[in-house]
Amino acid sequence: NAGVMQNPRHLVRRRGQEARLRCSPMKGHSHVYWYRQLPEEGLKFMVYLQKENIIDESGMPKERFSAEFPKEGPSILRIQQVVRGDSAAYFCASSPRQSNEQFFGPGTRLTVL
Amino acid sequence: AQKITQTQPGMFVQEKEAVTLDCTYDTSDPSYGLFWYKQPSSGEMIFLIYQGSYDQQNATEGRYSLNFQKARKSANLVISASQLGDSAMYFCAMRNTGNQFYFGTGTSLTVIP
Repeated sequence: NAGVMQNPRHLVRRRGQEARLRCSPMKGHSHVYWYRQLPEEGLKFMVYLQKENIIDESGMPKERFSAEFPKEGPSILRIQQVVRGDSAAYFCASSPRQSNEQFFGPGTRLTVL
Repeated sequence: AQKITQTQPGMFVQEKEAVTLDCTYDTSDPSYGLFWYKQPSSGEMIFLIYQGSYDQQNATEGRYSLNFQKARKSANLVISASQLGDSAMYFCAMRNTGNQFYFGTGTSLTVIP
């Protein structure tokens, strides 16, 4: 059973470009979470999604950031018009309904030049 | 308001000794879960141990145990017989009834040979 997959593992963008981060949850998992980790800091919750629904986006910046988890395919975290402050590691986690555990992907390290 | 507090930014322990990593939390939810994750230098997040708020006994997983003191709202991680491979960042996290996860800022553990 493959774990949570994230791609790309590393992403470099110039200021003003768009970044698309993908997350494929573990098989059978219908809940996906996105977190951001700035250097030397812990993980900050961004958004919690179920298939075709955003359950909680209280941690998402109001502008430029969006997330989706379609019926088919991976969950996508989209950052428009990236700025240097968006440079961070973005982690996705999945769980099978309300669960005692979240399984984390390896993360995508975004660098904005 | 900060939900999870880890007051030890860095800890050192001699190989084969035990070490306690502190974590306090803040919630008014009657039901919640507490987690510890390990993040080695490679960056992935590794689940270590879980404690439910209604669990009567402290959780244990191999060399990891969670010292859960509900009245004090603390959930310290105890690592027994430290190994060099235990050197990593350790994050305490809490899941509330809304299935949101909150992470602490982490403790960097260094095991000294």
